[in-house]
Amino acid sequence: AIQMTQSPSSLSASVGDRVTITCRASQGIRNDLGWYQQKAGKAPELLIYAASSLQSGVPSRFSGSGSGTDFTLTIGSLQPEDSATYYCLQDYNYPRTFGQGTKVEIK
Amino acid sequence: EVQLVESGGGLVQPGGSLRLSCAASGFTFSSYWMLWVRQAPGRGLEWVANINEDGSHMNYLDSVKGRFTISRDNAKNSLYLHLNSLRAEDAAIYYCVGDRSPTYHSGDTTFYYDAFDIWGQGTVVSVSS
Repeated sequence: AIQMTQSPSSLSASVGDRVTITCRASQGIRNDLGWYQQKAGKAPELLIYAASSLQSGVPSRFSGSGSGTDFTLTIGSLQPEDSATYYCLQDYNYPRTFGQGTKVEIK
Repeated sequence: EVQLVESGGGLVQPGGSLRLSCAASGFTFSSYWMLWVRQAPGRGLEWVANINEDGSHMNYLDSVKGRFTISRDNAKNSLYLHLNSLRAEDAAIYYCVGDRSPTYHSGDTTFYYDAFDIWGQGTVVSVSS
């Protein structure tokens, strides 16, 4: 199975900061990658698919980039409601695999 | 309103069985790949199994192959997961998920992506003696 490694595991940032989360695949996965946000006690929500396509209704401060093995989720200007855990997911092959998650806290 | 509602979770002994159900509404269920994702207490997300639009193709996580069976009934807008030979490590919240499966065409090549854009609230499976 493809291993997905996220970094950092957690971070703390201030409102308005630019935040970057990275995800590395153990082998090349083209752009077959999505990003999900999970707030405490809630089901996850889709942010980005195909590495850089923004899901309808998701604020434009979220963006994704990358191809091959290295990917990035960027929050352009962190907002209080962005406090959550973020997961990447590869959909290049089966079984689909998630990263271990990055917990984002607001200072 | 687009909605997925899971049911069927509960406490079961190791080696026991459960059937999870998921009722879909507000979208064209038969046009969606469907899947189950689970989350053990305090842990991350884990993809479990998926099934294509007409129920003819399924894929499973290696650790559940031969024990879990995913199925669907498009006439009832319902997804199922049969869990057999349950182990302690299967204890988790099980989410029913809809995958919009967007496609992108480049010349003669079609690229398929996952886009898990509909999630249920989850049903809890506990495994303990």
